[in-house]
Amino acid sequence: NAGVTQTPKFQVLKTGQSMTLQCAQDMNHNSMYWYRQDPGMGLRLIYYSASEGTTDKGEVPNGYNVSRLNKREFSLRLESAAPSQTSVYFCASSPDLGRNYGYTFGSGTRLTVV
Amino acid sequence: GQSLEQPSEVTAVEGAIVQINCTYQTSGFYGLSWYQQHDGGAPTFLSYNALDGLEETGRFSSFLSRSDSYGYLLLQELQMKDSASYFCAENPRQAGTALIFGKGTTLSVSS
Repeated sequence: NAGVTQTPKFQVLKTGQSMTLQCAQDMNHNSMYWYRQDPGMGLRLIYYSASEGTTDKGEVPNGYNVSRLNKREFSLRLESAAPSQTSVYFCASSPDLGRNYGYTFGSGTRLTVV
Repeated sequence: GQSLEQPSEVTAVEGAIVQINCTYQTSGFYGLSWYQQHDGGAPTFLSYNALDGLEETGRFSSFLSRSDSYGYLLLQELQMKDSASYFCAENPRQAGTALIFGKGTTLSVSS
């Protein structure tokens, strides 16, 4: 099925470990996003990529890096994981960084840092 | 600045109508979106209001009033499957900015 695919679905890390969350979309969308979701906090924007070759910080970028590998793929990297990064991470995409495009979300990565 | 306020919880019974409000304080934005998220699932897009007024999509409608800095999502003929979290989100007017989400409203529908 067309959509946004995230891997892995679950991950447990030890404090200080690094990892990369993968995201790929097959809808030929230009724009892609990474959000984190914590209880009672809603969805908070970490980074986004308006188009291939560009990335920008969102509300909570500290501790993360991103790579827009190509039009399809947008990865999120935690260089040195901390317990505060325990969260559910969602990748999303949209046709453009436009005004009335609904975002399509992936199923999420549930990350626990111990 | 940008800030979206929604009630944290709403309860209703099957067949009823419920309205979830969203107020904002953004200095400028393009429009208001609504997303639904079932427990453990991904958010899914419901509707978007760029202009003042009501947008209807089946049992769901969304309303925007820029003069009052508020919008709402109206769910009619509630069903058990409508139990979920609902998020309003704004498209800021600042160039090149992604959606900013409210903290969400948990709707519980009982029989």
